[in-house]
Amino acid sequence: AQSVTQLDSQVPVFEEAPVELRCNYSSSVSVYLFWYVQYPNQGLQLLLKYLSGSTLVESINGFEAEFNKSQTSFHLRKPSVHISDTAEYFCAVSDVYTGGFKTIFGAGTRLFVKA
Amino acid sequence: NAGVTQTPKFQVLKTGQSMTLQCAQDMNHNSMYWYRQDPGMGLRLIYYSASEGTTDKGEVPNGYNVSRLNKREFSLRLESAAPSQTSVYFCASSEGTSQIWGGTDTQYFGPGTRLTVL
Repeated sequence: AQSVTQLDSQVPVFEEAPVELRCNYSSSVSVYLFWYVQYPNQGLQLLLKYLSGSTLVESINGFEAEFNKSQTSFHLRKPSVHISDTAEYFCAVSDVYTGGFKTIFGAGTRLFVKA
Repeated sequence: NAGVTQTPKFQVLKTGQSMTLQCAQDMNHNSMYWYRQDPGMGLRLIYYSASEGTTDKGEVPNGYNVSRLNKREFSLRLESAAPSQTSVYFCASSEGTSQIWGGTDTQYFGPGTRLTVL
């Protein structure tokens, strides 16, 4: 059965420090992988996604994620965070099921960036 | 472009009352979705519509009904609200067609409706 596990519910970090938000999934078939970000009192918006090709994908605001097929992971990293990165981050996995695709979201990781 | 809009932003209901959450998108997307967000559980799909005129159940459809009124609008109705339906509800849309629940598509989300059922 498909599932997505975000290993940390909350991650506090100081400004300008590096951060890694972890995401593991279970699926026996090819997958598409997404990270969405939710700023306070807003809807989710796409941060980055992996569809195929290079396993390292980047966003415009300095985040990157690497697809690791052997470890079934898609961890999100940023080398130096800003206060404005404070938000909740959701990993999502889409894979094939009978009749089409199915996208499942993880439970989310709250990133708190402290001054 | 407004993207995905939802009304109302907040709502308080008493157990047994009914209401309809409205959603509209102006991106000419084919697929639309209703999710609920609960603490520690992420987003769970209630219903989706892969194209105008079609709707399908997601993970947690019980207690809800939907209507894809036209290509732009997708409403969610609670016929008899229960405290277990207290949640934040998000509408989303994506370009995809056919019976694709997600696939490679980016989903675009509205700002959400915070619903409390007393």
